[in-house]
Amino acid sequence: QVHLVQSGAEVKKPGASVKVSCKASGYTFTNHYLHWVRQAPGQGLEWMGGIDPNSGDTNYAQKFRGRATMTRDTSISTAYMELSRLRSDDTALYYCAITILSGALFDYWGQGTLLTVSS
Amino acid sequence: QSVLTQPPSASGTPGQRVTISCSGSSSNIATNTVNWYQHLPGTAPKLHIYSNTQRPSGVPDRISGSKSGTSASLAISGLQSEDEADYYCAAWDDSLNAYVFGTGTKVTVL
Repeated sequence: QVHLVQSGAEVKKPGASVKVSCKASGYTFTNHYLHWVRQAPGQGLEWMGGIDPNSGDTNYAQKFRGRATMTRDTSISTAYMELSRLRSDDTALYYCAITILSGALFDYWGQGTLLTVSS
Repeated sequence: QSVLTQPPSASGTPGQRVTISCSGSSSNIATNTVNWYQHLPGTAPKLHIYSNTQRPSGVPDRISGSKSGTSASLAISGLQSEDEADYYCAAWDDSLNAYVFGTGTKVTVL
C-alpha cells in the first residue's frame, strides 16, 4: 500500500529556511516523479515543482526558482523540499504527491505539513 | 495567480446535478489532459477524475468529467452531503512548463 508520510509542523521566522521531508513506502521510490504542492490559508492549490527520484533532476515553478530546493535520499526513500528566505506569505500547508496510475496526475498525497512563518 | 478559471461556488439540493467548469487556454487544457480533485479542509486532495474523463477506483460513477477545446467540466449527479467540498482542476501548461491548478470551486449541498 502506497504511503507518503511527511514531517511535522514547523514554525519559522521570516528570513529563515525550512526543510520538509516526505518518506515513501509501498512502491519503488525511484520509479515515480515526486511533486510538491502547497495551499496557503484561504487560497487554492499551487504546484511548486518536482523531482525525479531516480536521476535527481528537478523542475521548479517559476515562482519558486532560486528559493526552493528539492532533493532526495534514495537509501531511505525520502524526498525533501527546502524553502529559503521565508516570508509570511509562505505560511501554508505543504504536500508531497506522486502519480502511480498511468495517465493520472497526483493520485497519492502525503498528509501535509503546516508551515507557519511569523515573527 | 491561477491560469485555470473556475466559478468560486456551486450548490444544489440532494439528488440534483451540479456542474463545475474549468476554463483554460491553448497552452494547457486544449493540448493536455485535465484532472479533478476533491479537497476537504484538513485532508489531502483526492483525485476524482484523470485523463479528462477517467475515474480512479473507488470514485462513484455519478462523478464524470468532460473536455472540449480550452474548457473542461466536472459533473456530480445525485448530489449527496458527502460531496460538499472544494474541487480543483489541474493540467500541464506548455508555456509555463509547469502544472497549473484551477482557482477552485466550493460545492455546497443545500
